[in-house]
Amino acid sequence: GAVVSQHPSWVICKSGTSVKIECRSLDFQATTMFWYRQFPKQSLMLMATSNEGSKATYEQGVEKDKFLINHASLTLSTLTVTSAHPEDSSFYICSARPRSGTRGVNEQFFGPGTRLTVL
Amino acid sequence: DAKTTQPNSMESNEEEPVHLPCNHSTISGTDYIHWYRQLPSQGPEYVIHGLTSNVNNRMASLAIAEDRKSSTLILHRATLRDAAVYYCILRDPNSGNTPLVFGKGTRLSVIA
Repeated sequence: GAVVSQHPSWVICKSGTSVKIECRSLDFQATTMFWYRQFPKQSLMLMATSNEGSKATYEQGVEKDKFLINHASLTLSTLTVTSAHPEDSSFYICSARPRSGTRGVNEQFFGPGTRLTVL
Repeated sequence: DAKTTQPNSMESNEEEPVHLPCNHSTISGTDYIHWYRQLPSQGPEYVIHGLTSNVNNRMASLAIAEDRKSSTLILHRATLRDAAVYYCILRDPNSGNTPLVFGKGTRLSVIA
């Protein structure tokens, strides 16, 4: 199956700092990437949909100025948590869908997740 | 996407078969049934998917009811490594670039 990587796998930061999480599709091109957040013992919650070369679409209740998403290439999307606070501590998971016309276009491949802890 | 209902948790003995049920009574004719699982501290991984016919792969089997209002994921011999949260998700491939939407899933515990 297709591979999606995330970096870092875990990060601890001080309150008020910004943290960038990278999501890469390693063996396919992804026009669309999705960012999810998961709190302990809960399910994945979609935060935003990111299309290459255009602005991300955020779910209701997700602050676009706090969670900056950049999808600058067909293999890389980044999520920056700005001015992080302890309530932003969570497991962040990205997912990528292969571009139209390629095999697996309707599939969605997930990264291993990034655990963010804000002190 | 139509909603699915799964039991919160299930338990199985190691090396025994496990049947994980999913109800989706409002499924539409074009919805595919997808199963993903999430091991502890990892991202979800694809298990299997189907439309109408039963499906088999190296990980599991998917049995789909004739009226498609329910389905069952079958792990033929549970191992400790199968302990995870299993998600049953419906998705219409004609719905454009919509993402998979996760419910609460079923937490499977495997006892040695």
